[in-house]
Amino acid sequence: AQKVTQAQTEISVVEKEDVTLDCVYETRDTTYYLFWYKQPPSGELVFLIRRNSFDEQNEISGRYSWNFQKSTSSFNFTITASQVVDSAVYFCALSEGSNDYKLSFGAGTTVTVRA
Amino acid sequence: SQTIHQWPATLVQPVGSPLSLECTVEGTSNPNLYWYRQAAGRGLQLLFYSVGIGQISSEVPQNLSASRPQDRQFILSSKKLLLSDSGFYLCAWGPRDRGRQETQYFGPGTRLLVL
Repeated sequence: AQKVTQAQTEISVVEKEDVTLDCVYETRDTTYYLFWYKQPPSGELVFLIRRNSFDEQNEISGRYSWNFQKSTSSFNFTITASQVVDSAVYFCALSEGSNDYKLSFGAGTTVTVRA
Repeated sequence: SQTIHQWPATLVQPVGSPLSLECTVEGTSNPNLYWYRQAAGRGLQLLFYSVGIGQISSEVPQNLSASRPQDRQFILSSKKLLLSDSGFYLCAWGPRDRGRQETQYFGPGTRLLVL
């Protein structure tokens, strides 16, 4: 069964628009960790954020913000005022003790920002 | 600071030929090491992970193997490549001293095309 669902396959926006990427996860663990990674065209996966299950506080880092809601098992990611350099594939991932803390990745969402 | 290297960056190999991909980590000791594969247009699949020299766990039965001859070196090998082995191979490391739930950091990847 898919543990991490990223329902949006592709999103295309015009520069300066906001874009929100959805991530829904599934786990029975009480302690788990959620991650977002960015994969630009070069291919390397760039770590963006790690959040543990006990910290539901939303986080903002520059133009990036994350909304973690345990009640809906979601960990959504918003890029504000998007730029062309934000064009990439974004992956959400789950790490849980019952799975030996292996990363379970979603299928990814391709974001294209047009100038 | 820690850095992770992978080589070669790109590789084109004929079916049936052997394979050796190398990953090394600098700036840390005793890391957990991981090999992932990303097929075209798909998410990431964990292939192997290692918590120490000579300790390899395999996630998916296949014709690939992994070895860890040194603390910060992780090698992915095959005796005979298949067409289905084509893909993007990513190595990752995580700090072992803080447990497997810690963040994994990825290398630049190797693009393998088997013809």
